[in-house]
Amino acid sequence: KAGVTQTPRYLIKTRGQQVTLSCSPISGHRSVSWYQQTPGQGLQFLFEYFSETQRNKGNFPGRFSGRQFSNSRSEMNVSTLELGDSALYLCASSLVAPSYNEQFFGPGTRLTVL
Amino acid sequence: QQQVKQSPQSLIVQKGGISIINCAYENTAFDYFPWYQQFPGKGPALLIAIRPDVSEKKEGRFTISFNKSAKQFSLHIMDSQPGDSATYFCAASGDSGSARQLTFGSGTQLTVLP
Repeated sequence: KAGVTQTPRYLIKTRGQQVTLSCSPISGHRSVSWYQQTPGQGLQFLFEYFSETQRNKGNFPGRFSGRQFSNSRSEMNVSTLELGDSALYLCASSLVAPSYNEQFFGPGTRLTVL
Repeated sequence: QQQVKQSPQSLIVQKGGISIINCAYENTAFDYFPWYQQFPGKGPALLIAIRPDVSEKKEGRFTISFNKSAKQFSLHIMDSQPGDSATYFCAASGDSGSARQLTFGSGTQLTVLP
């Protein structure tokens, strides 16, 4: 079974631009979560989608948004990029279980903001 | 309440030795505690996970010990190998309504010397 795929793997943008990152979950997984990883803040939760609905959101400004499509694929968007948005953006997918879910991560998209 | 504290920040172990990484949490609503392994340029990979109804879980050379009363859990890597050199993250999640998010520790960079 193929793992979580993320595109693009690397991205370079300049301040003020916007960016869209894509994530394809493991086949059959219906929940997609996004995390930001930086050396200073570590791994931080951005948001989680299930059935095209955002169920949970972390403590990030409104410039960070996302969506999920009917095939469970997800995109996240960052508008008006700032230097501090440079990070590894990770997508994780999971089945939906009644009490807990194992989250499987993709390789990430390395975003550099100049 | 959402914080997970991880120690040590870095760890150097000889080949064949035991690597021990510790985590402590505050939120008593957490009920799922996974450990992730991350190699440079890769996304975190789920290594092993435990729920608070058991005090220990072993998978191969990897063991999680869980102390619910102390709100602590640890990862033990037996017979550590140079290939185990990576960054290890503990995490925790709880059921916030219908959604779950992982709260990560700050990571431990493990180096296993040959």
